[in-house]
Amino acid sequence: GQNIDQPTEMTATEGAIVQINCTYQTSGFNGLFWYQQHAGEAPTFLSYNVLDGLEEKGRFSSFLSRSKGYSYLLLKELQMKDSASYLCAPLGRRALTFGSGTRLQVQP
Amino acid sequence: ETGVTQSPTHLIKTRGQQVTLRCSSQSGHNTVSWYQQALGQGPQFIFQYYREEENGRGNFPPRFSGLQFPNYSSELNVNALELDDSALYLCASSLAGSSGANVLTFGAGSRLTVL
Repeated sequence: GQNIDQPTEMTATEGAIVQINCTYQTSGFNGLFWYQQHAGEAPTFLSYNVLDGLEEKGRFSSFLSRSKGYSYLLLKELQMKDSASYLCAPLGRRALTFGSGTRLQVQP
Repeated sequence: ETGVTQSPTHLIKTRGQQVTLRCSSQSGHNTVSWYQQALGQGPQFIFQYYREEENGRGNFPPRFSGLQFPNYSSELNVNALELDDSALYLCASSLAGSSGANVLTFGAGSRLTVL
């Protein structure tokens, strides 16, 4: 099975940096995904880490430590449109398992 | 390219009834996965279809069943509906065997309410 732990809610200010942490326990680990989901919309792909280290993509970066079962998503230069839920999802043998998500509220 | 489309977008059923949800995968994708998302929760994996065969299943009872058609579209069927089946049902497609094989493209979902 897979257990995923991430904070339920976070609040940050426009222009700031926020880090969303995720710890997981999984069997048959094949990488870790982060998805963004705005209220009432479908999840959209943000990043994928299969090896340890940092992957940077514009304002978003994601880090993975396989030995620690730990990942984080870093969002820089926050914008109001970044207010959404962020879903941590380790990939098992067959499918992604999603955490409950972190609801990020960006304030002016 | 067209994205993943799902129908219907909303529907209401009563306990004990049956429902069929439909999904057209993104052009060029050959794998379809179905997820159930309850309010305030992350999506939960139901099953995945590849080459018209079930290719993995989550912790859902047999009354949840599916099909994949030769054009890679898919159906999710739920029999004997229960109140707890009320949720957003998400379909996601991907292309098995590609470098981005595990990147799922989600549809907007079908919101099912069971009364």
